[in-house]
Amino acid sequence: ETGVTQSPTHLIKTRGQQVTLRCSSQSGHNTVSWYQQALGQGPQFIFQYYREEENGRGNFPPRFSGLQFPNYSSELNVNALELDDSALYLCASSLRLAGGTDTQYFGPGTRLTVL
Amino acid sequence: DQQVKQNSPSLSVQEGRISILNCDYTNSMFDYFLWYKKYPAEGPTFLISISSIKDKNEDGRFTVFLNKSAKHLSLHIVPSQPGDSAVYFCAAGRGSSNTGKLIFGQGTTLQVKP
Repeated sequence: ETGVTQSPTHLIKTRGQQVTLRCSSQSGHNTVSWYQQALGQGPQFIFQYYREEENGRGNFPPRFSGLQFPNYSSELNVNALELDDSALYLCASSLRLAGGTDTQYFGPGTRLTVL
Repeated sequence: DQQVKQNSPSLSVQEGRISILNCDYTNSMFDYFLWYKKYPAEGPTFLISISSIKDKNEDGRFTVFLNKSAKHLSLHIVPSQPGDSAVYFCAAGRGSSNTGKLIFGQGTTLQVKP
């Protein structure tokens, strides 16, 4: 049991809509990372939040945005949904250590389907 | 540009035998590596990690080996059990970048037969 929770479990949206996914970190963790996992692929890094600031970003367009709250929970927002956004969205929490190495613990994911 | 590669999509092993999962990387700046296991409809579960200053790390039935000159790491599971059947991902990170970004391989599906 990792302690990381995500909601909702599944979501169906249509092209052009906006979506918000939510994540609660494991107790004691201060960092949240978001990943997109397409079918048959490994997770791809979207961005990370540390102390409520974006701390690194992968190769995703600006319509992917996020927030981290004082209790270290986080949201991923995706605007103007495209069919290719259909994927499993994973949230991972970690405790940031000196040097930036941190073991990330994943939640169960949100399965997003864009029609 | 696939910086982390798992070239074997699948592996089948008999219960009780050794499972060896392989992973290659291209970026010499990676300084820590992790293995995750993933069951269907669940998020990846952390198994074991290794820092680039080490060449081996062991935790119970799981051992990870790192060969920096070859840019290769492997996960050994001994003995393999049917409950180990899952998709295994290797991941790499750069602590010096301070972004926490992990690069994942495509995954290897392990089947352990009773």
